[in-house]
Amino acid sequence: NAGVMQNPRHLVRRRGQEARLRCSPMKGHSHVYWYRQLPEEGLKFMVYLQKENIIDESGMPKERFSAEFPKEGPSILRIQQVVRGDSAAYFCASSSDPLKTQYFGPGTRLLVL
Amino acid sequence: GDSVTQMEGPVTLSEEAFLTINCTYTATGYPSLFWYVQYPGEGLQLLLKATKADDKGSNKGFEATYRKETTSFHLEKGSVQVSDSAVYFCALLPNTGNQFYFGTGTSLTVIP
Repeated sequence: NAGVMQNPRHLVRRRGQEARLRCSPMKGHSHVYWYRQLPEEGLKFMVYLQKENIIDESGMPKERFSAEFPKEGPSILRIQQVVRGDSAAYFCASSSDPLKTQYFGPGTRLLVL
Repeated sequence: GDSVTQMEGPVTLSEEAFLTINCTYTATGYPSLFWYVQYPGEGLQLLLKATKADDKGSNKGFEATYRKETTSFHLEKGSVQVSDSAVYFCALLPNTGNQFYFGTGTSLTVIP
């Protein structure tokens, strides 16, 4: 049973470009969470999605960031007009139920030049 | 609000030493508590968990007991190995679900 898949594992962007991060949850999981880990810090919650719906986006920056989890295909975290401060590791997690254990993907490490 | 406070690192130990990483939490209700481990360049792996007071989670020689009276979930291992070198995160999942709250992580280095 494959775990949570994320791609790309590493992404380099120049300031002002767009970054698209993909996450495929574990088989049978319909709940997806995105977290951001800044250098030398813990993980901070960004958004929680359940197929086609955003359930909780209280941790998402108000501008430039968006997330979706379409009926078919992976969840996408999109960052428009990236800035250097967006450089971080972005982790996706999935669960079968919001009260169950979340399983994490390997992360996408974004570097903005 | 809900939060996790974790012992700051870095921690350096000799092989076969005893490990304790302190973790305390603040939460309303009855959260579930977790320890995750992150090896260099990798994602988080679930190490152990406990879902109610007095539960003990254990895995790979690591243990942590959910203490509601002291709001703690300290991680312990009796004899660490070089391969245990990693960053350890304490985390809380409120009983209302949704998001995890993570501590800032404790970096452990075990030297031969």
